[in-house]
Amino acid sequence: GESVGLHLPTLSVQEGDNSIINCAYSNSASDYFIWYKQESGKGPQFIIDIRSNMDKRQGQRVTVLLNKTVKHLSLQIAATQPGDSAVYFCAETPRTGAQKLVFGQGTRLTINP
Amino acid sequence: DTAVSQTPKYLVTQMGNDKSIKCEQNLGHDTMYWYKQDSKKFLKIMFSYNNKELIINETVPNRFSPKSPDKAHLNLHINSLELGDSAVYFCASSQGSNGYTFGSGTRLTVV
Repeated sequence: GESVGLHLPTLSVQEGDNSIINCAYSNSASDYFIWYKQESGKGPQFIIDIRSNMDKRQGQRVTVLLNKTVKHLSLQIAATQPGDSAVYFCAETPRTGAQKLVFGQGTRLTINP
Repeated sequence: DTAVSQTPKYLVTQMGNDKSIKCEQNLGHDTMYWYKQDSKKFLKIMFSYNNKELIINETVPNRFSPKSPDKAHLNLHINSLELGDSAVYFCASSQGSNGYTFGSGTRLTVV
């Protein structure tokens, strides 16, 4: 079945350090993966995406890595800032069938000063 | 301009009441969605509409009835509200599998 899970529900890092948030998915037919950031009282905000024909994609201070062999996705945030504190979700859409996002549990990232 | 806007932001109501949440997107997207986020922050799709046509209904009780008067609007009507309906409801839109954009959410509290 479809499921997307995160290894850690909470993560605390020092300001300026790098952080890595992990995600596992079970649907080998997944084609498209997205990382979202959700701040308190707001909706999920797009951070970065990656398609299944890629292994790595970089944005500004963020990198997403996709390992299709072990069905693993990670989000790396470089030089974390206080504004990075939020809940982070991975989401995936299956290649076939109706388009819908299947979300993981979410990881709460806390940046310590 | 807000890309995906939903109203109201907060909704407090008694059990048994009927309420509606409205959503509008100005992105020109063809597909709109309703997601429910529970108290543990888990996000799950409820419905999706593509050009006013229902595409996905994820075994949501029939007390929930989405309505899409045009492709820019997707409203959610809930009959006979129950305590377990308390959650944050998010509207979203996309163009195919691209550009998923979420609204800021409606926090529904049933008392």
